[in-house]
Amino acid sequence: QVQLVQSGAEVKKPGSSVKVSCKASGGTFGSYSISWVRQAPGQGLEWMGVIIPMYGTPNYAQKFQGRVTIIADKSTSTAYMELSSLRSEDTAVYYCARDVSDLSSNWFDPWGQGTLVTVSS
Amino acid sequence: DIQMTQSPSSLSASIGDRVTITCRASQSISSYLNWYQQKPGKAPKLLIYAASYLQSGVPSRFSGSGSGTDFSLTISSLQPEDFATYYCQQSYSSPYTFGQGTDLDTK
Repeated sequence: QVQLVQSGAEVKKPGSSVKVSCKASGGTFGSYSISWVRQAPGQGLEWMGVIIPMYGTPNYAQKFQGRVTIIADKSTSTAYMELSSLRSEDTAVYYCARDVSDLSSNWFDPWGQGTLVTVSS
Repeated sequence: DIQMTQSPSSLSASIGDRVTITCRASQSISSYLNWYQQKPGKAPKLLIYAASYLQSGVPSRFSGSGSGTDFSLTISSLQPEDFATYYCQQSYSSPYTFGQGTDLDTK
């Protein structure tokens, strides 16, 4: 059974970068994709991008292109999401989730516990 | 991007009620539609995938239906632990987009 454990809360200055980790246990890391989804305070869910660890190929939402980098380290079964040029609107809880593919479709299950990133001067 | 619109945005109901939440896509997404439940301070939890498949471990009072642009999530008999926020999400094309959420609270 796959479990995803994320790194702890971060407080960052505007203009800086943050790197959030997501360590997987159970299952075979690399046999599934990892997506990143964020949720601003009191708001809905926003998909940021996905990586297929087996191939190391990321796919980013256009909104975050140029600011987000998602990588996967198969040796430690850990995925990372780095967001740069932070602004106050990036304050959110960031989630990683296993991106399951089957029935020619895909869905997110399970999710990590979330990492709160606060951007404040 | 495909826009997902849920209705209602909020809903008050009582224990034992039958509750239905709808989700409409801005274009046809076949059956590439998933439903999640989120409780305050917690990560979302998968309930239904591919429009109508019940995720393992999810109570059978939850069901999903629909295809094309119109979908629904039904809770047949509301239980105390079902008060939460529900999101639909399309996996037809990237970027994978979510509905704005439906807050289900007690009447």
